[in-house]
Amino acid sequence: GDSVTQMEGPVTLSEEAFLTINCTYTATGYPSLFWYVQYPGEGLQLLLKATKADDKGSNKGFEATYRKETTSFHLEKGSVQVSDSAVYFCAQGRGSNYKLTFGKGTLLTVNP
Amino acid sequence: DAGVIQSPRHEVTEMGQEVTLRCKPISGHDYLFWYRQTMMRGLELLIYFNNNVPIDDSGMPEDRFSAKMPNASFSTLKIQPSEPRDSAVYFCASSMGGLNTEAFFGQGTRLTVV
Repeated sequence: GDSVTQMEGPVTLSEEAFLTINCTYTATGYPSLFWYVQYPGEGLQLLLKATKADDKGSNKGFEATYRKETTSFHLEKGSVQVSDSAVYFCAQGRGSNYKLTFGKGTLLTVNP
Repeated sequence: DAGVIQSPRHEVTEMGQEVTLRCKPISGHDYLFWYRQTMMRGLELLIYFNNNVPIDDSGMPEDRFSAKMPNASFSTLKIQPSEPRDSAVYFCASSMGGLNTEAFFGQGTRLTVV
C-alpha cells in the first residue's frame, strides 16, 4: 500500500545552518506530495506541495522537488531560524478523495 | 473563516467513561477527516466523510470508536468506553476535495484517559 518514510529525528541545528529532511514514498501511480509543519500546541499547516514529477514546491524559504525516479521529496532550507523549530511531516495524496498518508514526522530544533 | 474548530482542546477522563470530541469544518469544504496522533504510531487516519457520508472507516481502531456527521457544519468522534490506550491528540481536518487540494487542520483535542 501507499506509504511515506521520512528521516527520524530529532534534528538539532544552529541558526543559519542548512537543513535537509529526507522523505521517500511508495505508491501506485503518481501521487501529489506535501510537507506539513506542526508548531508546538497547534494543528498541522501546509508548508508546500508538488503535484507532478519535477515540480518544485516552495514557501518561507523551504523547498522540495518531486523526484519520480528516486520517489523522493526532500525538504531543504538554506538558512534556518529559531522560529522554524517544529515538527515536519511529509505526506502523499492520491485520487479524488484526497486521503493523505503521512510520515511519522521529524522534530526540528533550531538553537540561537 | 475561523478555520477548523475543535472542542474541547483538552479532555481528561477516567477509564470506562464516554468521550465525545467535536469538530466544525470550514464552510464549503466537502471532506472531513479525523486523525489520531501518538508518539508510537504517528498520525493515523481514522475515518473520513464526503458530503456528510462516511466513506472509509477502516482506520477506526475498534467498535468503541464511532463518528457521525449529522450536517455539513458538525462532526463528532465518540469513544465508549474509553481506555488509557486511547490517550492521544485527535485532529479534525477538512478540505474541498479533489486532487491537489489542501487539508486544513484544527488545533486538536488532547485526550488523556486515566
